[in-house]
Amino acid sequence: GNSVTQMEGPVTLSEEAFLTINCTYTATGYPSLFWYVQYPGEGLQLLLKATKADDKGSNKGFEATYRKETTSFHLEKGSVQVSDSAVYFCALIVTGGGNKLTFGTGTQLKVEL
Amino acid sequence: GAVVSQHPSRVICKSGTSVKIECRSLDFQATTMFWYRQFPKQSLMLMATSNEGSKATYEQGVEKDKFLINHASLTLSTLTVTSAHPEDSSFYICSARLGETAFFGQGTRLTVV
Repeated sequence: GNSVTQMEGPVTLSEEAFLTINCTYTATGYPSLFWYVQYPGEGLQLLLKATKADDKGSNKGFEATYRKETTSFHLEKGSVQVSDSAVYFCALIVTGGGNKLTFGTGTQLKVEL
Repeated sequence: GAVVSQHPSRVICKSGTSVKIECRSLDFQATTMFWYRQFPKQSLMLMATSNEGSKATYEQGVEKDKFLINHASLTLSTLTVTSAHPEDSSFYICSARLGETAFFGQGTRLTVV
């Protein structure tokens, strides 16, 4: 089956620090990969995505590269801000594989001044 | 990106009553929508897949008579929590797919007292 493994949180960083949130996956088939962000009390927002190997998704200073050889899609940002504090979910979908998103458990990020 | 609107964002109801939650795709048509439940500090749990014009597909362990889903049009799916009890209190989130990408509503915080 499909699964997504994320690093456990919470991750606490100082403002302007470098962020990495690890995500690895297993999939039967060729997945598309996503990062979603959830701010307190809200639904999920798509942050970025990549649909094939070596693709880099990027948005709002966040980046993630689809690494097929290591089955990874780590999220990075060079300089975090307090406003980046949220829960980040890595997810995958395999087209034709039931059309269901498979989520990681989520990683809470706290950015302090 | 595409917009999915969920209403209400917050509802408090008495035990034994029913509550309806609406999920609308505002700028695209969605033949399939998904309903999730999220417990505090946990990932999303898929409850059911809502199919326009046909019966919903429920995940194992989800009571279909308790969580009624109707997908009467290409832009609207509703989830009705029937005879709600305090253990049904949770955060409910819907999503609709556009291609491979899922877009989420803002979520509904249900509190049953």
